[in-house]
Amino acid sequence: GQQLNQSPQSMFIQEGEDVSMNCTSSSIFNTWLWYKQEPGEGPVLLIALYKAGELTSNGRLTAQFGITRKDSFLNISASIPSDVGIYFCAGQLRNYGGSQGNLIFGKGTKLSVKP
Amino acid sequence: DSGVTQTPKHLITATGQRVTLRCSPRSGDLSVYWYQQSLDQGLQFLIQYYNGEERAKGNILERFSAQQFPDLHSELNLSSLELGDSALYFCASSVGGLPNQETQYFGPGTRLLVL
Repeated sequence: GQQLNQSPQSMFIQEGEDVSMNCTSSSIFNTWLWYKQEPGEGPVLLIALYKAGELTSNGRLTAQFGITRKDSFLNISASIPSDVGIYFCAGQLRNYGGSQGNLIFGKGTKLSVKP
Repeated sequence: DSGVTQTPKHLITATGQRVTLRCSPRSGDLSVYWYQQSLDQGLQFLIQYYNGEERAKGNILERFSAQQFPDLHSELNLSSLELGDSALYFCASSVGGLPNQETQYFGPGTRLLVL
C-alpha cells in the first residue's frame, strides 16, 4: 500500500533554532497535511496544502506542497519549548468523483526543544 | 479542544474480550473516521462513516466493526481481542460531503490495553 517516508525520525534542538522536516511518497497526493500530537492528545491540524507548489504559513510554521506532488516539508522558525511534540505529515488522494480518499500518515518526527 | 469527544479515555481488558469505543463528532460534522495508533504501525486509517453510512474502509480487521447512529455519534466495536490490539484509537470528524469541508479534527483518543 501507499507509504509516506517522514524524516527525521527525531530531533533534539536548542530553543531558538529553526527546524525542518519532510515527507516523501512514491505516490502523488492531492492534499498534504501537517499535524502535531502532544502526549495524551489527538493530532491537531497545523497546516493544510491543496495545490502543488503551494507555500502556506501558520505563525512560525511554514509548509510547502512539492511540485511533484510526492513530497512536502514543514519548517518551524525560532523554536520554543512548547513546540515539543510529534509532528505528522499526511497525504490524501482525491477519489474519482471528487470525494476524499483516506489519509495516509507518516511515522512522525519527534521534536525535543532544550530551553 | 477539537470538539470531538471520545469515551472512555482508558480501557483495560483481557484477551478474547469485546469492547466498544464511543465517539461524538463536532457539532455539524457528518463524517466520522476511526484510526488506530500503535508504536510499530503509526496512525492507520480504519474506517469512515458519512451520515450513517459506511464511506471508506482502510486496514480494519474483520474482528472490528463500526457504526454511526442517527444522532451521528459512532461506535467502534473490537472483539476477540488480542494483545496486539493494544493501541490508541482515535476518532476524527469532518463536515464531509464536499472536498473543502473534509478537514479532519481528531478527538483525544481511547487508550486500549489488552492483557
